[in-house]
Amino acid sequence: GENVEQHPSTLSVQEGDSAVIKCTYSDSASNYFPWYKQELGKRPQLIIDIRSNVGEKKDQRIAVTLNKTAKHFSLHITETQPEDSAVYFCAARDSGYALNFGKGTSLLVTP
Amino acid sequence: ETGVTQTPRHLVMGMTNKKSLKCEQHLGHNAMYWYKQSAKKPLELMFVYSLEERVENNSVPSRFSPECPNSSHLFLHLHTLQPEDSALYLCASSQQGNSPLHFGNGTRLTVT
Repeated sequence: GENVEQHPSTLSVQEGDSAVIKCTYSDSASNYFPWYKQELGKRPQLIIDIRSNVGEKKDQRIAVTLNKTAKHFSLHITETQPEDSAVYFCAARDSGYALNFGKGTSLLVTP
Repeated sequence: ETGVTQTPRHLVMGMTNKKSLKCEQHLGHNAMYWYKQSAKKPLELMFVYSLEERVENNSVPSRFSPECPNSSHLFLHLHTLQPEDSALYLCASSQQGNSPLHFGNGTRLTVT
């Protein structure tokens, strides 16, 4: 099955700086890569996703890049704000139904 | 309103109890999922139902028994659980294919 590795496990940045979270996946058949944000005590919520026919996607301060050859994808958050503090999960889906998640990155944005 | 509603929000049960978790989705999706979230572990897939048929069962112990009576409802029946089964149980739904999962708020389960 698909194996998703995520780094780093914790990340601390100052407000206004950029944050980058990286994930790798094992199954070359994977073709859908979403990112979820989970605030303390709340459900995971989709923030951005990318499909395998696209190399990069941007939504305001958030962007995701995908390198299919190297089997890795990254989340970029620019101009970070304290409300960006949360746990971020990457995921990958192969030809099956389910998403396989990384272990999560705890992001702390300090004022 | 999240579109995916889970009840109860919190559940404490003894190891000999039988209880059920309920999930309902109002998004018109045709696939539903159970995930387990433990501290310091990734979201672990337990079961997937597509068009009311179980299509994935990720080596989950038989003390967890899912039920999907229709495309809008999903249950997880629990019996003779172990303390290590204490976790947040998340239900999700999606439209079949490459579409995102929409999660419920979860049930925080504590097994004593």
